[in-house]
Amino acid sequence: DVKVTQSSRYLVKRTGEKVFLECVQDMDHENMFWYRQDPGLGLRLIYFSYDVKMKEKGDIPEGYSVSREKKERFSLILESASTNQTSMYLCASSFTAGIRLPREEQYFGPGTRLTVT
Amino acid sequence: QQQVKQSPQSLIVQKGGISIINCAYENTAFDYFPWYQQFPGKGPALLIAIRPDVSEKKEGRFTISFNKSAKQFSLHIMDSQPGDSATYFCAASSKGAQKLVFGQGTRLTINP
Repeated sequence: DVKVTQSSRYLVKRTGEKVFLECVQDMDHENMFWYRQDPGLGLRLIYFSYDVKMKEKGDIPEGYSVSREKKERFSLILESASTNQTSMYLCASSFTAGIRLPREEQYFGPGTRLTVT
Repeated sequence: QQQVKQSPQSLIVQKGGISIINCAYENTAFDYFPWYQQFPGKGPALLIAIRPDVSEKKEGRFTISFNKSAKQFSLHIMDSQPGDSATYFCAASSKGAQKLVFGQGTRLTINP
């Protein structure tokens, strides 16, 4: 079974703090994604990576950065947390083989609920 | 700008009934339409997906109906069970794209 793990299930941080969210997958997947989930807005893509040290902006990258130094690990960084970044953060991974595209079957972690006060 | 619009936001169905969730899109370049299912405390998981070369795809009690001319697709859950209670997300992606665009989600409750 594919396993995507996220470092914390719940996190409470103060405004202005630097926040690191970690994600690890154990299936040697090339592609990794960070989403945020908000009621009524669905899942919105923040950043994705299709290879080590590669990253692409998603739909809402402002206020976030990412790091992918190893294939299995993808980190989301909030440089200076703000209250509007209070949300559920979901990490996902997928593999590319042959004609498969990164968009196909994404495997999600359980999420990190971040509260910024 | 929401590229995929999903409705309803919440849905309550009696056990044994049919649950129907609808999605509409504008981008005619979309060519891959998956549905994800999310249980409380878990991440979403792929349930079923369709490409526009077919109008319907069925897997067990779950069916996707696709109407290319109307730019709409829907998920039908036949004989709905309490274990189907979850949040459902439709999504879409265009050819060559590396990412999915998700709908707003529907919270489905099946009453026993």
